[in-house]
Amino acid sequence: GESVGLHLPTLSVQEGDNSIINCAYSNSASDYFIWYKQESGKGPQFIIDIRSNMDKRQGQRVTVLLNKTVKHLSLQIAATQPGDSAVYFCAESTEHSSYKLIFGSGTRLLVRP
Amino acid sequence: DTGVSQNPRHKITKRGQNVTFRCDPISEHNRLYWYRQTLGQGPEFLTYFQNEAQLEKSRLLSDRFSAERPKGSFSTLEIQRTEQGDSAMYLCASSLGAGNTEAFFGQGTRLTVV
Repeated sequence: GESVGLHLPTLSVQEGDNSIINCAYSNSASDYFIWYKQESGKGPQFIIDIRSNMDKRQGQRVTVLLNKTVKHLSLQIAATQPGDSAVYFCAESTEHSSYKLIFGSGTRLLVRP
Repeated sequence: DTGVSQNPRHKITKRGQNVTFRCDPISEHNRLYWYRQTLGQGPEFLTYFQNEAQLEKSRLLSDRFSAERPKGSFSTLEIQRTEQGDSAMYLCASSLGAGNTEAFFGQGTRLTVV
């Protein structure tokens, strides 16, 4: 299959360990943020979102943290599995822009068995 | 499968030819977005529809590009007189709209201009 993100920053973790993927966003007016997972040759897959009135949100095995002061977003994946290997993108948007998404540059996650 | 559907999945065309892609959003989703993604980059916004109305177009969308959503359901993206620089993955996403902002993507159409 085709590879997404040939020259992206890469995070390599051992299976079962926790992963933390970081993202800096650009617009202080952004009020909605999403993390997407993208596997080779596929479209982005929604993982978790958070609004600017929150600083933490948890899903199944994933947690998103938002620090508006420094415009930083992180995705924590607990007990990382081989199926988590993919490229991860954060995206920001605003209500005033009809929630069109502005994507970050992406991070490749490699899970070692 | 009730997700966002895009056709074709792959398209190879000669430079100068016209191509058209189709996107079928999730049923009842009012908002439809087109994005373009090149290798090593995140998707870039191209255009946005609220029902049948095209409300915003990116500067990336040159006059060779046109998008329609005639009945507020499926959408088409046409590229005229394709150039090699048009080679990319074209992604469609939809969301319910109003207070529901989750955007779901299709699998994309991979365009290669030779």
